[in-house]
Amino acid sequence: DAGVTQSPTHLIKTRGQHVTLRCSPISGHKSVSWYQQVLGQGPQFIFQYYEKEERGRGNFPDRFSARQFPNYSSELNVNALLLGDSALYLCASSLAGTSGSEQFFGPGTRLTVL
Amino acid sequence: SQKIEQNSEALNIQEGKTATLTCNYTNYSPAYLQWYRQDPGRGPVFLLLIRENEKEKRKERLKVTFDTTLKQSLFHITASQPADSATYLCALTGTASKLTFGTGTRLQVTL
Repeated sequence: DAGVTQSPTHLIKTRGQHVTLRCSPISGHKSVSWYQQVLGQGPQFIFQYYEKEERGRGNFPDRFSARQFPNYSSELNVNALLLGDSALYLCASSLAGTSGSEQFFGPGTRLTVL
Repeated sequence: SQKIEQNSEALNIQEGKTATLTCNYTNYSPAYLQWYRQDPGRGPVFLLLIRENEKEKRKERLKVTFDTTLKQSLFHITASQPADSATYLCALTGTASKLTFGTGTRLQVTL
């Protein structure tokens, strides 16, 4: 069975540009969450979507936005990139998206902002 | 503000010994505590979940304890092997499903 997939695996952008990251959850999973992981730190919650509705938002600026599609895949968009946005962006899917649900993480997208 | 602390220094142990990792938290009343394993350049992998009303949970060579009075969880790997070398993350959830992670502890198991 395919796990959570993310694309692209690596990305290099310059300051001020825009980026779109993509995630496909495990088949049957309706909840997708996005996390940012800076080197040496634990992942930090950005967004959660369930059944195409935003369920939660972390402490990130409005430059970060996301959406979930009818097939439950998701996109994370970041505008006006800053050097500090360089990180590993992780997508996680879960069956129900409820507290205590096991979350399955994808391999991540490594974003470098120059 | 909520704070989750894990040993920032790497834990080095000999093969066959028991590794014990600590997770302490403040200003948080979690409903669940989870432990994940993360290898370099990869996403975290779920290991164990323990509920606030559970004291201990086991899975094969893994054991987790959860003390809500001390606000602490201990994660044990018995009979550790070099393949157990990785970073281990603890994560808390409250009523919402978002995970709040600690910084992780790197475990190195040597022969």
